[in-house]
Formats: sequence, structure tokens, C-alpha cells
Amino acid sequence: SAVISQKPSRDICQRGTSLTIQCQVDSQVTMMFWYRQQPGQSLTLIATANQGSEATYESGFVIDKFPISRPNLTFSTLTVSNMSPEDSSIYLCSVTQGSYEQYFGPGTRLTVT
Amino acid sequence: AQSVTQLDSHVSVSEGTPVLLRCNYSSSYSPSLFWYVQHPNKGLQLLLKYTSAATLVKGINGFEAEFKKSETSFHLTKPSAHMSDAAEYFCVVSVNTGGGNKLTFGTGTQLKVEL
Repeated sequence: SAVISQKPSRDICQRGTSLTIQCQVDSQVTMMFWYRQQPGQSLTLIATANQGSEATYESGFVIDKFPISRPNLTFSTLTVSNMSPEDSSIYLCSVTQGSYEQYFGPGTRLTVT
Repeated sequence: AQSVTQLDSHVSVSEGTPVLLRCNYSSSYSPSLFWYVQHPNKGLQLLLKYTSAATLVKGINGFEAEFKKSETSFHLTKPSAHMSDAAEYFCVVSVNTGGGNKLTFGTGTQLKVEL
């Protein structure tokens, strides 16, 4: 399975600022995904990022708030913009390998004060 | 559209006794189903997957799950719980919509294992 790393592993940010989260994979993958896990909740898909095209956002998530870059087949970034305390969550990236399963990074734990 | 219902938010068992975590799904297409485990402050780990092959699927750490189409269920079982099994378990359905495999997560079941 792919080895996925994320930076930073955690951060505490002030409201109104932005944070960019990096996701690095040890092999080339076509599709990368970004999820949010709010405290005590399940995972919710934010967007799907394909290399060379615009990210596809799920209902309730917009590009202005969560801009995503996918410059190559092993790397992606998610920015959480103009943060508020409601953005405090764990943010995870994942990749597809094989036909179906996804493998997840360790997550970035974000606290907004 | 697809959805997943995990019937128990918390399950508590004694070490050495069987584990049953229940999951029902709904899907307009032929689904792929997964169980993931999340230990405290750790990432998500794939336990097992069903992708239209054998209906009884064996995973890591002694877990298995049976796909029952007539019951739209994919319950996770283990014959004998171990303390290290204490974690959050997520049942997940995946459907290939042409834009890729989208995962829909259940709300999770917190498994507690007591001595």
C-alpha cells in the first residue's frame, strides 16, 4: 500500500488566518482525496483532486474556502482559508490504489482559537 | 446515492468474547464495502474489503465480515476480542460514479474491550 505523509501533523491557528496542509505520497497516483473529521464525528469528503484538472468539491464545500492544488502525481495541498473555530477538525488526505480501496494519511489536527 | 448505517455507536465486550459490529448499507449500484479502524491519535487503517468476490471476507487481526445482499448488511465480527482491538470502527461504502470511487463513511462504532 502507498505510504502517505502529511504536514503539519497539528497546528493551532488564530481565526481569520489560513493554513496550508501538504500531502505527499511515495508513489504516483491518479486521484487524491481530502476529508474532514470534526471532533467526535465521522469522515466527510471535501473534494477529489486529479492531477492537471480542477478539484471537484462535494456539496457544502467551496473552492474559496478550501482551495486545493495538485501540481504532480505525488503531491497535493489543501488550504483552509479565513479560519473560524468551526474549522477545528482533523484533515486527512487519501489515495486510491488498486481498484477500490483508499489509503489514508495520518491526518492534520487543526485547532482554531 | 449511497449511505451507511452503523447500528451501534458504542459496543463493549470482555476480552476473549466475540465481537459483532453491525453495518447496513444502501446503494443504487453494486457497492464495494470496507471496514476501517482508527486507534486513538492514529490514522485510518483498512481492515478488510468486499468487492463482489467471496461474500465472506477475511481481514487483518482476525476480523471478518459477511456481505449479505438480501439483508443489505456487512457486519464485522471477531471470535475473540483482544485489548488492542479497542478503537473506532468505520463501515464504508464505495461506488464508482465515473468520477472515481467515492467513499461514504458510517458514523462509527466505538469498541471498548474490558478485562
